[in-house]
Amino acid sequence: GQQVMQIPQYQHVQEGEDFTTYCNSSTTLSNIQWYKQRPGGHPVFLIQLVKSGEVKKQKRLTFQFGEAKKNSSLHITATQTTDVGTYFCAGDNYGQNFVFGPGTRLSVLP
Amino acid sequence: NAGVTQTPKFQVLKTGQSMTLQCAQDMNHEYMSWYRQDPGMGLRLIHYSVGAGITDQGEVPNGYNVSRSTTEDFPLRLLSAAPSQTSVYFCASSYSTGKGNEQFFGPGTRLTVL
Repeated sequence: GQQVMQIPQYQHVQEGEDFTTYCNSSTTLSNIQWYKQRPGGHPVFLIQLVKSGEVKKQKRLTFQFGEAKKNSSLHITATQTTDVGTYFCAGDNYGQNFVFGPGTRLSVLP
Repeated sequence: NAGVTQTPKFQVLKTGQSMTLQCAQDMNHEYMSWYRQDPGMGLRLIHYSVGAGITDQGEVPNGYNVSRSTTEDFPLRLLSAAPSQTSVYFCASSYSTGKGNEQFFGPGTRLTVL
């Protein structure tokens, strides 16, 4: 079945440093979503990417969908303590549902 | 709008007990789903529903039952709890079948099975 992997599993950064998490699927995806979960909270939708090579920006966050539609990345510029949490990608391989990756846990040291 | 609500927030069960986790949404969403979240494993889909009266299995359905008699409610039943079912359970809903639509998650139920 479809597998979605994310690296790294954990990332510790100093406030102000950049952060990137990568998402890789074993199959071609029709689209991909990204979610953020704060410690003790629930996942919150960030964005969806649909087109090959698509790049979307939300303030300091940049999301990219690979040309082959099998990978994606989330880049945060100049991290802040409010960025702390776990970032999940969720991939749809033309099926009924999304498959979530295991997540990347980000901690930001002030 | 309350969004997606879940009850209870915390629950402790003994092995073999049964219980129902409640989930409700007031956004008139057709698609609802249940996930479990275990450390290092992300969110795994248990069951989902594309509308009232329609349910289907996800990735890890064993030991769980669901029903969808109304658009608003999607309860998850544990028939005979096992320690392997200790997890955090999230209910989610979205406007359509889930494809191309953001999922709104409830606050979660933290379940411990002794």
